[in-house]
Amino acid sequence: GAGVSQTPSNKVTEKGKYVELRCDPISGHTALYWYRQSLGQGPEFLIYFQGTGAADDSGLPNDRFFAVRPEGSVSTLKIQRTERGDSAVYLCASSPLAASTDTQYFGPGTRLTVL
Amino acid sequence: AQSVTQLGSHVSVSEGALVLLRCNYSSSVPPYLFWYVQYPNQGLQLLLKYTSAATLVKGINGFEAEFKKSETSFHLTKPSAHMSDAAEYFCAVSDLRANSKLTFGKGITLSVRP
Repeated sequence: GAGVSQTPSNKVTEKGKYVELRCDPISGHTALYWYRQSLGQGPEFLIYFQGTGAADDSGLPNDRFFAVRPEGSVSTLKIQRTERGDSAVYLCASSPLAASTDTQYFGPGTRLTVL
Repeated sequence: AQSVTQLGSHVSVSEGALVLLRCNYSSSVPPYLFWYVQYPNQGLQLLLKYTSAATLVKGINGFEAEFKKSETSFHLTKPSAHMSDAAEYFCAVSDLRANSKLTFGKGITLSVRP
């Protein structure tokens, strides 16, 4: 079956602009996660959804970052007033439930470059 | 807070040689541990995971890892490296208090020499 997909695969924007990154999880997966991977680092947790609600947003760096999952499937990560330090690969993952033992299935990521 | 340490950023082995990638974790409660692999231009793929059952865990592509509580380690091994194993490997930890989020190490790049 289809895996996790993310669009766009690459996004180049200018400092101060607004961007939206989209994630389509595996059909039927309840939990959806966003991570950010900077160059030379492992992925860092941003936020996760259980269904439509954000169950844990403790990893969002500041209030410029916001994510939604209105129908419990597709999710959008929104970044306002982008800064050069936001440049990274943004990864989305989904899992059947939200158990700590669940396997998280990752998408290929969106590479965001802020000029 | 939980954390993962992956010492060294790059490991190089000859084809057919033993692969050993080290991972040490810190967690105040029993951990769940994962190894993910990332091939160039692809997403992270689960190799194996430890979820408090058997301490020796076998994964895909001939990899295995052993959970050693006394050493707080979960090192990844493969008896004989193949060229196709060249990739970046990440160790990650979760636990019952972590709301299922994963904390990753910095990753290790494995190169395989012919």
